[in-house]
Amino acid sequence: AQTVTQSQPEMSVQEAETVTLSCTYDTSESDYYLFWYKQPPSRQMILVIRQEAYKQQNATENRFSVNFQKAAKSFSLKISDSQLGDAAMYFCAYRGNAGGTSYGKLTFGQGTILTVHP
Amino acid sequence: EAQVTQNPRYLITVTGKKLTVTCSQNMNHEYMSWYRQDPGLGLRQIYYSMNVEVTDKGDVPEGYKVSRKEKRNFPLILESPSPNQTSLYFCASSPFDSLSYEQYFGPGTRLTVT
Repeated sequence: AQTVTQSQPEMSVQEAETVTLSCTYDTSESDYYLFWYKQPPSRQMILVIRQEAYKQQNATENRFSVNFQKAAKSFSLKISDSQLGDAAMYFCAYRGNAGGTSYGKLTFGQGTILTVHP
Repeated sequence: EAQVTQNPRYLITVTGKKLTVTCSQNMNHEYMSWYRQDPGLGLRQIYYSMNVEVTDKGDVPEGYKVSRKEKRNFPLILESPSPNQTSLYFCASSPFDSLSYEQYFGPGTRLTVT
């Protein structure tokens, strides 16, 4: 079974600074997808960024980027130029590829609460 | 507007009183799933459905039932709720193809069982 671990229950950053959230995962599958979701106080789950395991290039979405290390099974999220609106719970998640045993299911980490200080 | 809806958004009930949380999506997605979110545990999958009349257990199915009679609806049934089912519940859907792996989440249902 796949597992996802977020070892930082809480992180904080000053507005306009950069912060990195850590995520590691364990899987025996060779093809899969990794995600970072943001959950603000409204509780809505918002997709931040997605990484396909077969792509070596790290995904980026504006101020959000990932550092994907497939061999190390590491998938960290970097938020640059942090804004007050970035304050939220962040979840790392894993999903297997079609044909794999975990296809369709999202396996989540425990979450990291990010606080942004003005 | 493409969306996943859940009802009710908030529910307080008593132990043993059967309840149903509805989930509906208007995107013609094949795949639907229920998760529960608990502090320190993240989201855990309860049940999922690959298509109409096809359902399967997730990681924490005990105490829950689901049905998928129509493609758009995937209700979660608690036949005899207990306090340990107090949680935040999310329904999610996604298309069943190899090009899109994003799951669309509903707004969540906060359930309290006393």
